[in-house]
Order: sequence, then structure tokens, then C-alpha cells
Amino acid sequence: QKEVEQDPGPLSVPEGAIVSLNCTYSNSAFQYFMWYRQYSRKGPELLMYTYSSGNKEDGRFTAQVDKSSKYISLFIRDSQPSDSATYLCVQEGDSNYQLIWGAGTKLIIKP
Amino acid sequence: DGGITQSPKYLFRKEGQNVTLSCEQNLNHDAMYWYRQDPGQGLRLIYYSQIVNDFQKGDIAEGYSVSREKKESFPLTVTSAQKNPTAFYLCASRPDDGGRQPQHFGDGTRLSIL
Repeated sequence: QKEVEQDPGPLSVPEGAIVSLNCTYSNSAFQYFMWYRQYSRKGPELLMYTYSSGNKEDGRFTAQVDKSSKYISLFIRDSQPSDSATYLCVQEGDSNYQLIWGAGTKLIIKP
Repeated sequence: DGGITQSPKYLFRKEGQNVTLSCEQNLNHDAMYWYRQDPGQGLRLIYYSQIVNDFQKGDIAEGYSVSREKKESFPLTVTSAQKNPTAFYLCASRPDDGGRQPQHFGDGTRLSIL
């Protein structure tokens, strides 16, 4: 069974807060993960591409993979209203043609 | 600017009608994909193509058809056999250089039934 699960939200936080977005995966054989951001009526855009466990940081964004609990997190520091979007968690299967997509978490940053 | 262009942004289909969604990319990417996005669900792969004149079915290919006559273009036809076509359709591409490269997306076409 291949699944990536996300809480659909919406998650509403005040501007400047630290945001934590999470997802769980079921197949531990695949170790590449991605976070995409999708604005309303737009296509997804890649935020982070990570391998296996540990952290990866890019500006205000940090992606974390915990293999032992099959848990993936995206942290956003100093959140801005422009961060309001749906965040999609993706696990890459044994080829780039086999992406397992979460349904996304809707994030709202209140000014 | 390089990118993926999908057209039209909105499309309406009548009963029994086939409609074609356009996807063009100027990124010189080898691989192209079509996904369907429904509320509350993850993206589902319809078709993909790794090279010109070749394509493979994804998880939900029934009721859809594609062609790949040019590297830049990967049109999707939603046929009358697709009984529930209302969805947001996304086209993606990526380089196929043997390495792990993420997919890049267009801004989608929203298809509705008249």
C-alpha cells in the first residue's frame, strides 16, 4: 500500500509565527521526498527536495524527515501572508514517474 | 522566460464531446506528464511520456488519450468515455538526464461539464 497522508487544514496562524506542516508515509522503501507549494488556481511549485533522514534548510524553510516514525515536516519561519497556500507533500517511488502525492494542507497566514 | 504553458485556463465540455487540453514547454525537457487534481485527493497520474512518439498510461488513463509528436508539446484529449471529467488538469515536465530531477508544473486547466 502506497500512501502519503496530510491533514487538510486549514491551518490558520498569525503573521510572523513558526509554521509546522506534517505528513506521514507508509512505504519506507522510498527515501526521496518533496514539498510543493500551490497557490489557488495555479500549478504546484517545488519548495524542497530532500533525501532520507535529517534536515534541509533553504531560507525560511526547513524540511525534516524522520525515518523511524515515517514522518515528514516542513517548517516555515517568520511566516508571511504570501505563504498562504496549499502545501503538498510528495514521496518519490522507485522512479520519477511514480510520485505518491498527499492531498495537501491549506495554510492561512493572518496579517 | 522558460516554462510550461497550459491552455485554455477554463474549458467546458458538453455531453458526448471530446475536448483537448494543450501543454507546451520551452524548457527542453524530455519527460512530460499529465495529472488530474480533485478536491481532497492527491494528484493522480493520467499519462506520461519520456520521449517523442512514446507514452505510457498512468494510474487513471481510462477515458483519456495523448500524443507526443514534438518534444515541446504533449496534448491531452478528454474523451466522451470519461464520465466524470470535471477536475483541475496539470501538465508537468522534467529533464530526463538519468539523475533525480523534480517535476515542473504549468498553471493548469479547469475542465467543467456544461
